Amino acid sequence: DAKTTQPPSMDCAEGRAANLPCNHSTISGNEYVYWYRQIHSQGPQYIIHGLKNNETNEMASLIITEDRKSSTLILPHATLRDTAVYYCIVRVAGNQFYFGTGTSLTVIP
Amino acid sequence: ETGVTQTPRHLVMGMTNKKSLKCEQHLGHNAMYWYKQSAKKPLELMFVYSLEERVENNSVPSRFSPECPNSSHLFLHLHTLQPEDSALYLCASSQDRIGPANYGYTFGSGTRLTVV
Repeated sequence: DAKTTQPPSMDCAEGRAANLPCNHSTISGNEYVYWYRQIHSQGPQYIIHGLKNNETNEMASLIITEDRKSSTLILPHATLRDTAVYYCIVRVAGNQFYFGTGTSLTVIP
Repeated sequence: ETGVTQTPRHLVMGMTNKKSLKCEQHLGHNAMYWYKQSAKKPLELMFVYSLEERVENNSVPSRFSPECPNSSHLFLHLHTLQPEDSALYLCASSQDRIGPANYGYTFGSGTRLTVV
């Protein structure tokens, strides 16, 4: 599976949009982009995934560039409960999920 | 509650003890996984079971022994552990297919293991 690169940490003001970037320049055509988050000492939680179209659900939006070499997870109105480590994972169907170090997002009051 | 239940939540054991971690999923999934997360390290995939058969074992020491008696239950049997095995052990499950309806893995809340 392709490798991903994320900034180690980010801050966001409460109520503002949090935009978390992910680079996956070696992604292949059959690899999906997944986002998970892990709140301290809990299991990771699925957020969203996509192949090439932008996706939106009740938690977040996923914007994938046209060349699919990068993506951005958007939390439209960050709350204190969104403070967590966010993982961007690229995965071929049938392969396992391998987690990197992710981005530690801190939402500031 | 995510639909994946892990017990116990916390466990302290001596290096000569034998204990087991339990994971149960109520989601109708057909694949289950054990991950280890040590302090300030990424999650490490330990074992993968698909349709109750072990399909992956990522060079895990033999003091960790998994068991999957059916598609809803997964155990991790522990014996003669070392202090460096202290970590958060996470179980996950999934439906083994891909596509728009595949939401990836559902994780439990984990067992915090301390080896003394």
